[in-house]
Amino acid sequence: GENVEQHPSTLSVQEGDSAVIKCTYSDSASNYFPWYKQELGKRPQLIIDIRSNVGEKKDQRIAVTLNKTAKHFSLHITETQPEDSAVYFCAANAGGGADGLTFGKGTHLIIQP
Amino acid sequence: GAVVSQHPSWVICKSGTSVKIECRSLDFQATTMFWYRQFPKQSLMLMATSNEGSKATYEQGVEKDKFLINHASLTLSTLTVTSAHPEDSSFYICSASWGGGTDTQYFGPGTRLTVL
Repeated sequence: GENVEQHPSTLSVQEGDSAVIKCTYSDSASNYFPWYKQELGKRPQLIIDIRSNVGEKKDQRIAVTLNKTAKHFSLHITETQPEDSAVYFCAANAGGGADGLTFGKGTHLIIQP
Repeated sequence: GAVVSQHPSWVICKSGTSVKIECRSLDFQATTMFWYRQFPKQSLMLMATSNEGSKATYEQGVEKDKFLINHASLTLSTLTVTSAHPEDSSFYICSASWGGGTDTQYFGPGTRLTVL
């Protein structure tokens, strides 16, 4: 099955700086890679996703890049703000269009004022 | 749009009892619903995938007789934890999508289960 590795587990950055979270996946059949933000005790919220037919996607301060050959994808947050503090999860589907998501272990992003 | 609700938001039960959790897609028809569990400060683990009108597909290591899933309509899936034990205490979260694994999954708010 799919295996998703996520690094770092904790990331502390100064407000206004950029943050980068990286994930790798194992199943070459995976073709959908979402990123979720989860605040304590709340549901995961989709912040951006990318499908395997594109290499990069951007939405305001958030961007995701995908390298299918190397099987890794990254989340980039620019101009970080205090409200960006949360746990971020990357995920990948199992391929074949029918399966649920395999999640990385999460990155606790801390924005220092 | 794409709102998913869960009920109850939290439940405390005695060991040996059964607990039913409902997951509803409020403004769209969910062909596929997924059930995840999340232990404190850990990631989400997929338990099972359910498609409307058919039997759920369980992930390896998840007991189908203990975690009963029913997806009777395009807007409702239920998870019943049978004969719950303290080790079943967790955060159970459902998600719903229009189709399969390449469609966006919208998550419910989760249900905190505590088994005494």
